[in-house]
Amino acid sequence: QKEVEQDPGPLSVPEGAIVSLNCTYSNSAFQYFMWYRQYSRKGPELLMYTYSSGNKEDGRFTAQVDKSSKYISLFIRDSQPSDSATYLCAVTSGNTGKLIFGQGTTLQVKP
Amino acid sequence: AAGVIQSPRHLIKEKRETATLKCYPIPRHDTVYWYQQGPGQDPQFLISFYEKMQSDKGSIPDRFSAQQFSDYHSELNMSSLELGDSALYFCASSPRQGAESQETQYFGPGTRLLVL
Repeated sequence: QKEVEQDPGPLSVPEGAIVSLNCTYSNSAFQYFMWYRQYSRKGPELLMYTYSSGNKEDGRFTAQVDKSSKYISLFIRDSQPSDSATYLCAVTSGNTGKLIFGQGTTLQVKP
Repeated sequence: AAGVIQSPRHLIKEKRETATLKCYPIPRHDTVYWYQQGPGQDPQFLISFYEKMQSDKGSIPDRFSAQQFSDYHSELNMSSLELGDSALYFCASSPRQGAESQETQYFGPGTRLLVL
């Protein structure tokens, strides 16, 4: 079993929809939670970073972490065609910074 | 803003050849990470360096070695290449001190390696 599980999708939504992306993890030692966006053949781009449980908002993006259920989420409001990409969740315990990624969810936002 | 630089961007090698991938971190970032991403896969951690010392090691084959130099750039050396080594290789950098947390890693554009 992978340490971080993420539904690979693909997920297709109409423009303007609210998108919900989720991951679960198994190790309670993980303290830092990230969401990366990756366009085809490009490097992952850091979107959101959260320490411990709670919510963090940045523009149209909201990241949520629930450590009690080991569940992390990314919400995208008013989705745009330019949001079409693969979204990767990543976790780390913080000791060395090594990131453990989920499989990535492919999102397509249709105009 | 300056980003992580990787070279070369594309590399084609034959089986059993060697390859060297280079990574130049963001200025004032002293920690470098290497990841391998196979087709349709998530990035897998290979190795990391902090202040020129290896700080962690993941699923890196013995055929691979890496180091970080005094100017903080890093090189990943790959020998006896196999077909299965074909992948995207990413370098990421992060600051260890300052306002940003060490856990904030910024990725380069990657080197696409094809082994024939």
